[in-house]
Amino acid sequence: LAKTTQPISMDSYEGQEVNITCSHNNIATNDYITWYQQFPSQGPRFIIQGYKTKVTNEVASLFIPADRKSSTLSLPRVSLSDTAVYYCLVGDGNTGKLIFGQGTTLQVKP
Amino acid sequence: DSGVTQTPKHLITATGQRVTLRCSPRSGDLSVYWYQQSLDQGLQFLIQYYNGEERAKGNILERFSAQQFPDLHSELNLSSLELGDSALYFCASSVVKAGGPDEQFFGPGTRLTVL
Repeated sequence: LAKTTQPISMDSYEGQEVNITCSHNNIATNDYITWYQQFPSQGPRFIIQGYKTKVTNEVASLFIPADRKSSTLSLPRVSLSDTAVYYCLVGDGNTGKLIFGQGTTLQVKP
Repeated sequence: DSGVTQTPKHLITATGQRVTLRCSPRSGDLSVYWYQQSLDQGLQFLIQYYNGEERAKGNILERFSAQQFPDLHSELNLSSLELGDSALYFCASSVVKAGGPDEQFFGPGTRLTVL
């Protein structure tokens, strides 16, 4: 069963690039890796999803190494409004169970 | 606004009681997921339904059950409630393309408090 591990918290300053890594051992070969953002008292919101190598959209990039045992969410030039909890999500291809990481609380300072 | 609606927004009940949480997915989404979020356990996947059929089961207790109706809305039933069941319960929906990526849209959640 895939297990996911993320840092509990990170601090950054406005304008900096932030990289958050998630380790997911035993990820099944057909699993996608998804990242979500969550603000207090709201449901998680989709940021980016990928299967391998690199994916980029208008808000983030996702780097996935060849062995796919980890992934790194990259947020370019963060602002105060990026202060939130970030979760990685992987699925177990055998059981269909979805597993969230414990979440990384990102605090962006002025 | 994700397009996923959940009712009620808040629910306060007593131990031993039974409650039903309701979810309406986005228009066109066939898949519904239920999650529990508590301070000590984080986000836990409970169960997924696809077009009325159970598709995957997570850490759902036997006291909990769910179903998806022909109109695609879903209900999560929690019975014999315990203090530890107090949590935020989220519903999410997605299109689910076979063999492809799956972006889930989350509702605002139902906050359950068991006293």
